[in-house]
Amino acid sequence: DAEITQSPRHKITETGRQVTLACHQTWNHNNMFWYRQDLGHGLRLIHYSYGVHDTNKGEVSDGYSVSRSNTEDLPLTLESAASSQTSVYFCASSAQGATEAFFGQGTRLTVV
Amino acid sequence: QKEVEQNSGPLSVPEGAIASLNCTYSDRGSQSFFWYRQYSGKSPELIMSIYSNGDKEDGRFTAQLNKASQYVSLLIRDSQPSDSATYLCAVQGPSGGYNKLIFGAGTRLAVHP
Repeated sequence: DAEITQSPRHKITETGRQVTLACHQTWNHNNMFWYRQDLGHGLRLIHYSYGVHDTNKGEVSDGYSVSRSNTEDLPLTLESAASSQTSVYFCASSAQGATEAFFGQGTRLTVV
Repeated sequence: QKEVEQNSGPLSVPEGAIASLNCTYSDRGSQSFFWYRQYSGKSPELIMSIYSNGDKEDGRFTAQLNKASQYVSLLIRDSQPSDSATYLCAVQGPSGGYNKLIFGAGTRLAVHP
């Protein structure tokens, strides 16, 4: 069965370190999204991609970067982790057009 | 102004009652609208999608869309304790790209026996 997986599920890192969260989908979807979820804010869009080599900034992109070298993967990198980036991160994918987005299990990141 | 707004709740309803969840959006060009359910500690899952004005029913769930008022709602009939979750409204439209999916902050629903 097709799926979308995130790794790691939990991560603790120190302030200033570079961190990469992985997202891999086997749906063959063109669209991939990274969100963060904090209490009271719902899901806020960090970055998104509509296809290979395409990346776009969302509403909370500062301090984050992504790259899309193939259809299946959209890794999210925190260049220099900050305590304000402690959050739960969700990756999602969807097919072209107005269709359902499928979510990964989430990654809980703690920056100490 | 946030692009998608929801009352954070909690919305508390007795078992068997109708729960009404509301959502407004700012981008008049938005074309696709979704309701996701998220249980505590879990990922969001799609429960309803609606693309044109009017009502769409699926089992106990009814989604309502009014594009003129930029308003989307979700009705849950015969609410069950298992419906207790956070409900996220999501909007997709031309702002920033046709496939960009923007979420509201979610409404927490509590169904008590």
